[in-house]
Amino acid sequence: DIVMTQSPDSLAVSLGERATINCKSSQSLLYKSKNKNCLAWYQQKPGQPPKLLIYWASTRESGVPDRFSGSGSGSDFTLTISSLQAEDVAVYYCHQYYDTSRTFGQGTKVEIK
Amino acid sequence: QVHLVQSGAEVKMPGASVKVSCKTSGYTFTNYAVHWVRLAPGQRLEWLGWVNTGNGDTKYSQKFQDRVTITRDTSASTVYMELSSLGSEDTAMYFCTRDLVAGILDYWGQGTLVTVSS
Repeated sequence: DIVMTQSPDSLAVSLGERATINCKSSQSLLYKSKNKNCLAWYQQKPGQPPKLLIYWASTRESGVPDRFSGSGSGSDFTLTISSLQAEDVAVYYCHQYYDTSRTFGQGTKVEIK
Repeated sequence: QVHLVQSGAEVKMPGASVKVSCKTSGYTFTNYAVHWVRLAPGQRLEWLGWVNTGNGDTKYSQKFQDRVTITRDTSASTVYMELSSLGSEDTAMYFCTRDLVAGILDYWGQGTLVTVSS
């Protein structure tokens, strides 16, 4: 299975400041024929199911605020929240759908400093 | 609008089986695969498997291959996940989720808490 490793495990950011979460995969997630990376980001708040934020590494899901952005390629990816809002407190997961056996990162908990 | 509504919480004895349902609405059922993902306390999200709702083909995680069965009822637009030989480590919130395309999971059920305890 492809191993997904996020860093950091948790971070505390002041309101309005930038939050950056990294995700590294144990092998490349680049789907060469489509030139797309099979990497998604999800946000999960307590008592709720995960919510899709980003897919193909950098495509924002409809309705997701533009302060959320995804970048990276191959095996290194980043989720950036450009200006943290109170409602962004959550656990964030990266997810690879390159391999038929799907895997997730361990999650990064984002809190307000 | 798209909805995935799961069955209610379950409490099971060790060694028993559990079957969770996921009723979908708001879209053409057979056009989108459905996956099952769980979140156990202190663990990461874990993928169990998926079903092609059109032809019923399934793919399971190797970890759960021998214990999980995912089926669908096209007449009821419902997907089922059955997990057998339950142990305490199977205590978790189980989610069904729709596959937009290629494995991108866009809509999720509300979750079903399965507790395994003697």
